[in-house]
Amino acid sequence: GAVVSQHPSRVICKSGTSVKIECRSLDFQATTMFWYRQFPKQSLMLMATSNEGSKATYEQGVEKDKFLINHASLTLSTLTVTSAHPEDSSFYICSARRVSGGRNEQFFGPGTRLTVL
Amino acid sequence: QKEVEQDPGPLSVPEGAIVSLNCTYSNSAFQYFMWYRQYSRKGPELLMYTYSSGNKEDGRFTAQVDKSSKYISLFIRDSQPSDSATYLCAMSRGLPSSASKIIFGSGTRLSIRP
Repeated sequence: GAVVSQHPSRVICKSGTSVKIECRSLDFQATTMFWYRQFPKQSLMLMATSNEGSKATYEQGVEKDKFLINHASLTLSTLTVTSAHPEDSSFYICSARRVSGGRNEQFFGPGTRLTVL
Repeated sequence: QKEVEQDPGPLSVPEGAIVSLNCTYSNSAFQYFMWYRQYSRKGPELLMYTYSSGNKEDGRFTAQVDKSSKYISLFIRDSQPSDSATYLCAMSRGLPSSASKIIFGSGTRLSIRP
């Protein structure tokens, strides 16, 4: 299967700082990437859809000024959590869409655990 | 009503048992159905991918889709302790050329007892 990486895998920061998370598709090009947040024992909640070369589409209730998304190339999307607070502590997972051979699949990264002190 | 409903479990079965995991959905427009496996503190991993109704088998795993009942299942034969994980069903409307969202179930936590 396709490989998607995330960096960093874990980050601890102080309240009020900004944190950038990178998502890369390593062996395919992804015009669309997705950012999810997952709280303990809960399913993935879609935060936003990241489109290469255009603005991200945010889900209802997600603040676009707080969660900045940049999809500058076909293999890289970044999520920046600005002015992080303890309630932003969560597991952030990205996925990249691959469309080939009549299949429409998403491949997930390993996730980034963010802890805000 | 959620678009996709999935029993969160936890489900605990002895090693070697057949496991049945299920989801129901409300939107008849869904055409693509997937099962993901997620180990603790890891990202989801795609297990099975099915288009429209029918069965699909891959090793010990069998996925079933019944669009008339809006019901999908994942069967695991000869379950192993390494199968212990959270299993997420997922589905989408879109054709391959579209950019439709995938809707996930809440996940079922499965534990296989040695």
